Amino acid sequence: GQSLEQPSEVTAVEGAIVQINCTYQTSGFYGLSWYQQHDGGAPTFLSYNGLDGLEETGRFSSFLSRSDSYGYLLLQELQMKDSASYFCAIRSGGYQKVTFGTGTKLQVIP
Amino acid sequence: DVKVTQSSRYLVKRTGEKVFLECVQDMDHENMFWYRQDPGLGLRLIYFSYDVKMKEKGDIPEGYSVSREKKERFSLILESASTNQTSMYLCASSLSGSKGYNEQFFGPGTRLTVL
Repeated sequence: GQSLEQPSEVTAVEGAIVQINCTYQTSGFYGLSWYQQHDGGAPTFLSYNGLDGLEETGRFSSFLSRSDSYGYLLLQELQMKDSASYFCAIRSGGYQKVTFGTGTKLQVIP
Repeated sequence: DVKVTQSSRYLVKRTGEKVFLECVQDMDHENMFWYRQDPGLGLRLIYFSYDVKMKEKGDIPEGYSVSREKKERFSLILESASTNQTSMYLCASSLSGSKGYNEQFFGPGTRLTVL
């Protein structure tokens, strides 16, 4: 089976940088994704890493190391609207199936 | 913009009732998914479908069935609702291909309460 670990809660200050880590155990790994979910809202896709290295999308970056079974989401210049839950997700095994982590609740404080 | 819609935002049913949750996507996506989301447990996959009339079990299929008669529509069925099926149900769709499989588009969710 697959398993993912990420911190349950993180608090950071507005304007700062925060890193949310994700470690996973699986076989047949096909990619790591990150999703954001505001309270009461639907998850929305943020980024995808299929290969090792850093992917940057505006204030958000995502990193993957397949040899370490590890990735992270980096949020820069934090804004209050970044307060949300962040889920890492891996695709492994079957082509379509994606397994989600339990989520990290990020609280941005003034 | 991809749009995934779900038939109800809130639903209250009684134990033993048959419950239908409907999901429609408008972007011709091949793949569709049903998840349930519970506090502390994240999103857990119930069933998915990669083509019309095709379905695959996810991690927690017990007590659920699905139907995909048309490409744009994917239904989740609770044959006999039980209180432990009280949850938020999320539908998602995606394209095929290595990036497509990893980028899912979610509907707003249906909060189901079974009394």
